[in-house]
Amino acid sequence: AQTVTQSQPEMSVQEAETVTLSCTYDTSESDYYLFWYKQPPSRQMILVIRQEAYKQQNATENRFSVNFQKAAKSFSLKISDSQLGDAAMYFCAYCTGNTPLVFGKGTRLSVIA
Amino acid sequence: NAGVTQTPKFRVLKTGQSMTLLCAQDMNHEYMYWYRQDPGMGLRLIHYSVGEGTTAKGEVPDGYNVSRLKKQNFLLGLESAAPSQTSVYFCASSYRAVQETQYFGPGTRLLVL
Repeated sequence: AQTVTQSQPEMSVQEAETVTLSCTYDTSESDYYLFWYKQPPSRQMILVIRQEAYKQQNATENRFSVNFQKAAKSFSLKISDSQLGDAAMYFCAYCTGNTPLVFGKGTRLSVIA
Repeated sequence: NAGVTQTPKFRVLKTGQSMTLLCAQDMNHEYMYWYRQDPGMGLRLIHYSVGEGTTAKGEVPDGYNVSRLKKQNFLLGLESAAPSQTSVYFCASSYRAVQETQYFGPGTRLLVL
């Protein structure tokens, strides 16, 4: 079974600084999809960024970018210019075209003013 | 456009009682999902549906049943609630495939005494 590992249960960052959240996954598939979802204190899950494994270019969304290392099965999320509103749980997730999303256990990010 | 809504927001049950959680989406999405979120466990898939009238088991289906009689609704049933089913339940939907962005409801907090 596919697994997604987030090795950092908690992280903190100073406002305006950069932080990187780690995610590794285990798969034997060559074609798959990776996601980062954000869950703020409101509990509402929101997509942050999505990456298709066949695309070598790292996905970016404004201050959010990923470092996708396919050979290493690593998918880290970089948040630049951190803001107080970035404080949340962040979940890494994986799926193939045929199997539903598998989530990691999450990383709680605190932003210090 | 309400997106994904869940009813109820909070419920307390006694062991052995039954209940149904309702998920509704107004985005004409084919795929719908039920997850549970427990502390330190991330989100785990209970059941999902790839279209009206179809359902499939996820990672943790035991003790739950689902029905998708209408495209816009996905019901999660607990026939005989147990304290181990105390959790926050999330419904989500995606347009036509598991690898597309999932849109989540606000969650239902269930406490089984």
